[in-house]
Order: sequence, then C-alpha cells, then structure tokens
Amino acid sequence: GESVGLHLPTLSVQEGDNSIINCAYSNSASDYFIWYKQESGKGPQFIIDIRSNMDKRQGQRVTVLLNKTVKHLSLQIAATQPGDSAVYFCAEAISGGADGLTFGKGTHLIIQP
Amino acid sequence: DAGVTQSPTHLIKTRGQQVTLRCSPKSGHDTVSWYQQALGQGPQFIFQYYEEEERQRGNFPDRFSGHQFPNYSSELNVNALLLGDSALYLCASSSPPWTDYEQYFGPGTRLTVT
Repeated sequence: GESVGLHLPTLSVQEGDNSIINCAYSNSASDYFIWYKQESGKGPQFIIDIRSNMDKRQGQRVTVLLNKTVKHLSLQIAATQPGDSAVYFCAEAISGGADGLTFGKGTHLIIQP
Repeated sequence: DAGVTQSPTHLIKTRGQQVTLRCSPKSGHDTVSWYQQALGQGPQFIFQYYEEEERQRGNFPDRFSGHQFPNYSSELNVNALLLGDSALYLCASSSPPWTDYEQYFGPGTRLTVT
C-alpha cells in the first residue's frame, strides 16, 4: 500500500546549525501533513502541520515545506539545540477521513556539541 | 488540564494470552485512535472510536478489538497474542470535525510478548 517514507534514518548536526529532515509521500489524495517529534519513552508530540493548499508554513524555529509536484515534505529546524535530539516522523492524512495518520519510519536527529 | 493518559506503562504477556490496554483522552476530546509502534518504526493506525463505535480500521486482524465508554475512555484488546505483537501501543485523542488532525498522543503502553 501507499505509505510515507523518509530519506535518511539518522541525521547528525552540530549544535547551533540548522537541520533539515526530508520525507517523501506517495498518496496523492493526502491533503494534510504533520511533523511529530518523539523523545525516548514518550508518545509523538505535534510540531507543525501544513495543508496541501500551502507550500510553506513557519513556526517557532521550525519551517515545513511542501512540494506537491514531487510529493516531498521537509522540516527545517533553525539553530538546533540539544533538546531537539529525538526521532522525527512525518505523517499524512486525508482531511475529514477516518483512516488515521500514515506515518513514515522516522529520522533520528542527533545533536553534536 | 490532563493530557492523554494510558495504562499500564509496561506489560509482559505470554504468547497465546489476551491483553487489555486502557486510554483516557485529553479533556474536551471525544475521539480515540489507537496505533501500534514496532521498535524503530513509525506508528501504524489500528482503529478509531467515536460515539462508542469503531469509525474506521487499519490493516489489523480481528484479534485486535476495542471499545469506547460513555466517558470517552477506550480499551484496546488483543487476543491470542503473538510474538510479533510486541510493540508500543499509542493512544491519540481528537475531536470532530477531524479536519484538523492535531491528535494528542499519550505516552504509550509497552507490550512485550514472550
């Protein structure tokens, strides 16, 4: 079946640098995309979302970019901090649908001091 | 304001046994979704409950069943446990009209089947 996937399983960045986590999705019917952060021993925590009628959305230190042409999603984290160390998942959904979220496998972000 | 709570935190069962996991949604939410997260993988949708009924179901066998109570809390039951059922079981809560999928997740229940 169609699923959301991530390009890199592990990403290591220097503290203070910007991080970019990428994600590819394949379900063309999906119109809602979310990034979650999951720390060890915890459930996923909502970071930012974007709808298919947008191509960019900014939050506090985070930006999500959506390229519908190539079905690509990215999460940019500015000035990465030690507390950003976690596994990041992108997820897709169809607004109003009841099929739940479809998650990718995740990218482990490691912050080097 | 209490977030999503789940119990128990950890559970060890033997193959063939049955297990019940519990979830209380975030205050103000009436919809509960259950996910299974295998080690090193993203969560996979099991099913969603609203108004005490299963609203939709993912690709999971009938061994996985659920229930929602009038107070919106929910249970996930798994029968005839298999080793492959070992995973973190996550509960997420939300509310209609579900156009906003900002689901709030609980900390999960870690199930180990031996």
